[in-house]
Amino acid sequence: ETGVTQTPRHLVMGMTNKKSLKCEQHLGHNAMYWYKQSAKKPLELMFVYSLEERVENNSVPSRFSPECPNSSHLFLHLHTLQPEDSALYLCASSQGSDNEQFFGPGTRLTVL
Amino acid sequence: KQEVTQIPAALSVPEGENLVLNCSFTDSAIYNLQWFRQDPGKGLTSLLLIQSSQREQTSGRLNASLDKSSGRSTLYIAASQPGDSATYLCAVRQGKAAGNKLTFGGGTRVLVKP
Repeated sequence: ETGVTQTPRHLVMGMTNKKSLKCEQHLGHNAMYWYKQSAKKPLELMFVYSLEERVENNSVPSRFSPECPNSSHLFLHLHTLQPEDSALYLCASSQGSDNEQFFGPGTRLTVL
Repeated sequence: KQEVTQIPAALSVPEGENLVLNCSFTDSAIYNLQWFRQDPGKGLTSLLLIQSSQREQTSGRLNASLDKSSGRSTLYIAASQPGDSATYLCAVRQGKAAGNKLTFGGGTRVLVKP
């Protein structure tokens, strides 16, 4: 257990659905991250929140919408996804954006 | 743009043999380098973190070296066990000027056969 939890662990959705991924950290950290891990591609950083403000968006399509209501919770809202968005979505947290990151178990997303 | 490469992509060894995993990066201006382990369908577990001023870090059977000038890091796992079977990822963090971004390699998938 790393102190970072993600729900759901598995999600299957159609292209017209709207769903949300949730991440919660119990480590008292002040920075949180969303990563995407596709088959045969390195982990890609999607979003960074530091002190609840988004500080980085690596040109992610608008069908992915992050929300960070407080320093312990991070959401990724999904709508009108494409089959190529199927991947493992990982959440991480750290104390400060230049310190070691701790990862959650991920949500395995399948878009039909 | 920082690029991180891990070779080989997959490795199979008999139990007891030492493992050597390689990681190379193109931009040597890094803040630190981190090695992770990932079990199938799971998240990442941090193994070792080496600051840019350090040459190596050790934890139990694991030893990681860093040669910043040549853009290389090596993870050694001594006396491998079947439980070491996993994918090992290295990631480099660049400094504040580059947004403290963490760039990952593609990983080395390791199988330790009993």
